[in-house]
Amino acid sequence: RKEVEQDPGPFNVPEGATVAFNCTYSNSASQSFFWYRQDCRKEPKLLMSVYSSGNEDGRFTAQLNRASQYISLLIRDSKLSDSATYLCVVKLPGAGNNRKLIWGLGTSLAVNP
Amino acid sequence: GAVVSQHPSRVICKSGTSVKIECRSLDFQATTMFWYRQFPKQSLMLMATSNEGSKATYEQGVEKDKFLINHASLTLSTLTVTSAHPEDSSFYICSASGLAGNSYEQYFGPGTRLTVT
Repeated sequence: RKEVEQDPGPFNVPEGATVAFNCTYSNSASQSFFWYRQDCRKEPKLLMSVYSSGNEDGRFTAQLNRASQYISLLIRDSKLSDSATYLCVVKLPGAGNNRKLIWGLGTSLAVNP
Repeated sequence: GAVVSQHPSRVICKSGTSVKIECRSLDFQATTMFWYRQFPKQSLMLMATSNEGSKATYEQGVEKDKFLINHASLTLSTLTVTSAHPEDSSFYICSASGLAGNSYEQYFGPGTRLTVT
């Protein structure tokens, strides 16, 4: 089983649609969780951290279910500029700055006019 | 704040040559730097973790003699791909972690696209 699994997509949605991405992780000791966005041929950029209580940032809502080892990202009212690959990332336990990030394969989103 | 640069952004080299990639933290001290590689349509794969002033820790399957990492200062780490082969063609991304603001997040460089012909 992969350490972080995501549906690679692609998801093709019209502008204004709501789209949800899911992610599962295998290491129950994982400490922190993130969603990153990566545009084609660019470096990944942090979209948001994911907290147990769930958190929202504008049109983006992230949820974490530790019992099921499941993370989700919901994008409402999608824009053309949301087209990108969304990466689910898990931080493993470890000492200080050496805690490793484990990356999912990414879910590709294409928002169409 | 928390800007990380990489140089070069793109490099094409011939098989058998060595290529050096620089990663710099511009406005904070990076006590730890991470080197990743990403093949097309693949996820980022951690190659090694380096702490300033000490030897890098390589992930399983990554040849330390082929991918030489030097982290000699708190703002600079270099990755040298020695005797590069076409299968080393990839997108190499560094990230730096240190106290930037009030957090220890990883900040990513823009990546270096290596093509070995």
